[in-house]
Amino acid sequence: EADIYQTPRYLVIGTGKKITLECSQTMGHDKMYWYQQDPGMELHLIHYSYGVNSTEKGDLSSESTVSRIRTEHFPLTLESARPSHTSQYLCASSDPGGTGNTIYFGEGSWLTVV
Amino acid sequence: AQSVTQPDIHITVSEGASLELRCNYSYGATPYLFWYVQSPGQGLQLLLKYFSGDTLVQGIKGFEAEFKRSQSSFNLRKPSVHWSDAAEYFCAVGPGNTPLVFGKGTRLSVIA
Repeated sequence: EADIYQTPRYLVIGTGKKITLECSQTMGHDKMYWYQQDPGMELHLIHYSYGVNSTEKGDLSSESTVSRIRTEHFPLTLESARPSHTSQYLCASSDPGGTGNTIYFGEGSWLTVV
Repeated sequence: AQSVTQPDIHITVSEGASLELRCNYSYGATPYLFWYVQSPGQGLQLLLKYFSGDTLVQGIKGFEAEFKRSQSSFNLRKPSVHWSDAAEYFCAVGPGNTPLVFGKGTRLSVIA
């Protein structure tokens, strides 16, 4: 089992508010990811990091930002939330190498912007 | 560029019946292949993975998958489905150095 934790699990916030979704892993994985997923739909990679001070944008354009100051921590921030940001956000991390980049997921953070 | 196709959006099977979920991939070299399962409101859980060696891979919860290079497929199977298997299933492919590419998923419903 993977040890990757996301908080909050569920959040309802008003339009224009700033929100940070927390993600931490205790496995020492260098690679971490954020995916966005609408209910019953496919996953979209929005950000990833291959190590401290490394961040890249994913396939889906996102107004969110990420930072990677510590190996175990990969928070995602929305500076000004909008209803279009309502979605599930999944954090993940992967093995450092030699195992095909197996990805392990957190439980997800459900964000509702009203 | 690599891609994954899951041709079936939604499959319904009877409890106790066998199951096969299809996955086709496009990738230039020997791929790393994965199947994940997602229960409603949850994250994704790894069912099984293929890197090399035996083309029939065993996973958790009684699932298995077979890698067929000639057909570019990695289909997931289970001989007898349980009601608790109802979930969304995602196939993924990756070269190892870049993020995995996921299929759009297949929703499995199980009826009594």
